[in-house]
Amino acid sequence: NAGVMQNPRHLVRRRGQEARLRCSPMKGHSHVYWYRQLPEEGLKFMVYLQKENIIDESGMPKERFSAEFPKEGPSILRIQQVVRGDSAAYFCASSPPASAAYEQYFGPGTRLTVT
Amino acid sequence: LAKTTQPISMDSYEGQEVNITCSHNNIATNDYITWYQQFPSQGPRFIIQGYKTKVTNEVASLFIPADRKSSTLSLPRVSLSDTAVYYCLAAPYQAGTALIFGKGTTLSVSS
Repeated sequence: NAGVMQNPRHLVRRRGQEARLRCSPMKGHSHVYWYRQLPEEGLKFMVYLQKENIIDESGMPKERFSAEFPKEGPSILRIQQVVRGDSAAYFCASSPPASAAYEQYFGPGTRLTVT
Repeated sequence: LAKTTQPISMDSYEGQEVNITCSHNNIATNDYITWYQQFPSQGPRFIIQGYKTKVTNEVASLFIPADRKSSTLSLPRVSLSDTAVYYCLAAPYQAGTALIFGKGTTLSVSS
């Protein structure tokens, strides 16, 4: 069973461009979480989604950021008009439908650099 | 804010036992103590979880006293490959709960 997959692994964008980060959860997992990690910091929760629904987006900035998890295909975290402060590692995690909260499986992350 | 407090860093030598203590004075009744490990340039990986007393798996042991205000992750006979950041989290047994990570403990193992 393949683990959580994220692509691209590294992404460089100029200020003002858009960044699209993709996450394919593990097979059979219907819950997807996105976290952001700044250098030397712990991970910060951004958003929790199930298929076609955003369940909790309390950690997501109100502007420029959006996330989706369509019926078919990967979950996508979209950052519009990127700024230097968006430079970070973005991790996706997934979990099965009826799992405990701590049972989240993380992908390798996408490292976004904004120049 | 993280619900837990742990040392910023620890140093050890190969073959030693490492104990990382985590404080969680205000842990909720329905929270479990969970530990994750993160290597550089990788996502966190679940290590162990427990509610009370002692839990042991092939990787580590977790000791949680009766008052649950603290816990200790024990890594037996560490090797260089155990060098990583270790996060202590308190999370309820409920699907869909966001995990709250602090800065973790950076463990450095030397030969």
